[in-house]
Amino acid sequence: SAVISQKPSRDICQRGTSLTIQCQVDSQVTMMFWYRQQPGQSLTLIATANQGSEATYESGFVIDKFPISRPNLTFSTLTVSNMSPEDSSIYLCSVVAGGGEQFFGPGTRLTVL
Amino acid sequence: SQQGEEDPQALSIQEGENATMNCSYKTSINNLQWYRQNSGRGLVHLILIRSNEREKHSGRLRVTLDTSKKSSSLLITASRAADTASYFCATDAMDSSYKLIFGSGTRLLVRP
Repeated sequence: SAVISQKPSRDICQRGTSLTIQCQVDSQVTMMFWYRQQPGQSLTLIATANQGSEATYESGFVIDKFPISRPNLTFSTLTVSNMSPEDSSIYLCSVVAGGGEQFFGPGTRLTVL
Repeated sequence: SQQGEEDPQALSIQEGENATMNCSYKTSINNLQWYRQNSGRGLVHLILIRSNEREKHSGRLRVTLDTSKKSSSLLITASRAADTASYFCATDAMDSSYKLIFGSGTRLLVRP
C-alpha cells in the first residue's frame, strides 16, 4: 500500500483566513481525492485532484472555496479559503492502488474560531 | 442523500465476543471497502470485496456481500479492546471512477 503523509496534522485558524493542506504520496498514483469529515459525521468527497488539469468538484463544493492543485503524480494541495467555523473538519486525501483499494492519509484536523 | 446506511450506529460488547456490523447501499457497485477509524484519526483500510465476490476473510475479519440486497456485513471475531473504533463501509459505484460513498459508520466499544 502507498504511504501517504499530510501537512499540517492539525491547525487552529481564525475565520476569514485560508489554510493550505499538503498531501504527499511515496509513489506515483493516478487517482487522488480529497474528502471532508465534519465532526461526528462520515466522509464526503470534495473533489478529484487531476494531474495537470483542474480538479473535478462534487455537488456542493466549488473551486473558489476549495482550490486544489496537483502538479505531479505524487503531490496535491487543498486550500480551504475564507474559513468559517462551519469549515471545522478533518480533511483527508486518498489514493487508489492498483487493485482498486483506496488508501487514506492521516488527515488534517482543522478548527476555525 | 447518496450516503449508505450502517447499523447499528453503536455497539458495545465484551472482549472475546464477536461483533457484526451491517452496511446497506443504493447503487450498483464495482466493490465495497471497509475501514476503521480510531478517535477521529486517519482511516485504516481493512478489506475490499468485489461485486462478484460473496465472502472474504482477513485474519479475524469476515466480510460478506449480497448485491441482490445491496448489503454487506463485517464480522470481527474474538474481539479485543484494541478493536474499539468507528467502522465505515464505502462503495465504489459502477460509473464513479473510484469515487467512494461512505456509510454512516458504526461505533464499536469493546469492554475489557
